[in-house]
Amino acid sequence: GDSVTQMEGPVTLSEEAFLTINCTYTATGYPSLFWYVQYPGEGLQLLLKATKADDKGSNKGFEATYRKETTSFHLEKGSVQVSDSAVYFCARKQSNQAGTALIFGKGTTLSVSS
Amino acid sequence: GAVVSQHPSRVICKSGTSVKIECRSLDFQATTMFWYRQFPKQSLMLMATSNEGSKATYEQGVEKDKFLINHASLTLSTLTVTSAHPEDSSFYICSARHDRNTEAFFGQGTRLTVV
Repeated sequence: GDSVTQMEGPVTLSEEAFLTINCTYTATGYPSLFWYVQYPGEGLQLLLKATKADDKGSNKGFEATYRKETTSFHLEKGSVQVSDSAVYFCARKQSNQAGTALIFGKGTTLSVSS
Repeated sequence: GAVVSQHPSRVICKSGTSVKIECRSLDFQATTMFWYRQFPKQSLMLMATSNEGSKATYEQGVEKDKFLINHASLTLSTLTVTSAHPEDSSFYICSARHDRNTEAFFGQGTRLTVV
C-alpha cells in the first residue's frame, strides 16, 4: 500500500550545521506532501507542504522540494539552531472514503547542541 | 494556526475499565476529525475518520466496538477505549479540519497507560 519512509534518527548536530532528513513515498498519482514538527510536550504543527511536482515548500529556513522522479521530499535547512530540536514527520495525503487523512513516516528526532 | 485541544494529556487506568479521550476544536468548526495511534518509534497510524453527524469510518484492523468514536458536534469528538488492556497502552492523537481544502490541526496527544 501507500507509505512514507523517512530516515531513522536520532540526528544529532551542532548549531549552524546543515540538516537533511530524507523522505520517500510510494503512491499512485501525485499526492500532496507535508513535513510536520513536534516540539517536546506539544502537538504536531505543519512545517511546510507541497501540493504538486517540483513545488518547493519552505518555512522558518526549512525547505523541501517535491521530486516525482525520485518520489522524494527531503527536508533541508542550511543552519540549524538549538530551538529546532524536535521530532520531524514526513507525511502524504491519502484518499479514503471518509475524507482525506494523512499517512505519516515514523518520525526523525533531531537534537541540536550549542 | 487554529487550536485543537485534547484531554487528558495523560491517563492511567486499570485493565478492564474504559477511558474517554476528548478532542476539541477551539476556534473553528471541524467537519472532519481523525484519530491516530502512535507506538514507540513508530509512525502515526490512522485509526478512524469521523465526519460530524455520521458514523466513524474505521481503518482495516481497528476494532470499532473497542474504540468508540463519537463526533456529535462540530467542535468535539471523543474516543472511548472500552475494556482497556495493557496492549492498548499507546499515544493517541486527534486531528481536526474544517473541510477538505483546509489544513488539519493536531491535538497534543494523550498518553494512555493500562495497568
